[in-house]
Amino acid sequence: GENVEQHPSTLSVQEGDSAVIKCTYSDSASNYFPWYKQELGKGPQLIIDIRSNVGEKKDQRIAVTLNKTAKHFSLHITETQPEDSAVYFCAATKTSYDKVIFGPGTSLSVIP
Amino acid sequence: KAGVTQTPRYLIKTRGQQVTLSCSPISGHRSVSWYQQTPGQGLQFLFEYFSETQRNKGNFPGRFSGRQFSNSRSEMNVSTLELGDSALYLCASSLGDSPNEQFFGPGTRLTVL
Repeated sequence: GENVEQHPSTLSVQEGDSAVIKCTYSDSASNYFPWYKQELGKGPQLIIDIRSNVGEKKDQRIAVTLNKTAKHFSLHITETQPEDSAVYFCAATKTSYDKVIFGPGTSLSVIP
Repeated sequence: KAGVTQTPRYLIKTRGQQVTLSCSPISGHRSVSWYQQTPGQGLQFLFEYFSETQRNKGNFPGRFSGRQFSNSRSEMNVSTLELGDSALYLCASSLGDSPNEQFFGPGTRLTVL
């Protein structure tokens, strides 16, 4: 079955710097890769996603890149702010009726 | 549009008891997935229901069960609770078609004493 790895497990950056979180997946048939942000005491919130027919997607300060050949995808946050501090999860899935497999999460701390 | 709601938000039980958690998906969503979240294990998939049928199942013992009603609301039941069942239980709803874009509820924090 699908396995998703995520690195780093913790990340501290200065406010204004960029943060990068990387994930790898094992099943080459996976074609949908969402990213979730989980703040303390809340459920995960979908922040951006990418499909396998796209190499990069950007939404304001957040961007995601996908390398299908290497089977890895990354989340890039530019100009980080304290409110970006949270746990971020990457995930992968194959079809509409397949289960979504999550990475173990990255705890991001943005230091003012 | 109302989000995913879960009840109760907090629950304290003792070992051996059973518990039922409820999830109301976003209106129009037909799929509900359940996850167990613990500090050491991350988000572990329990099962998914789509149109009242279990469509996917994770690797949890039979003490964990679920069901979905005709209005798409879902319940999860855990019988014979163990200390290790203490966790945040999250449900996520989606339309159920491609892509599987999921929206999570706030979770139910279960503590087993």
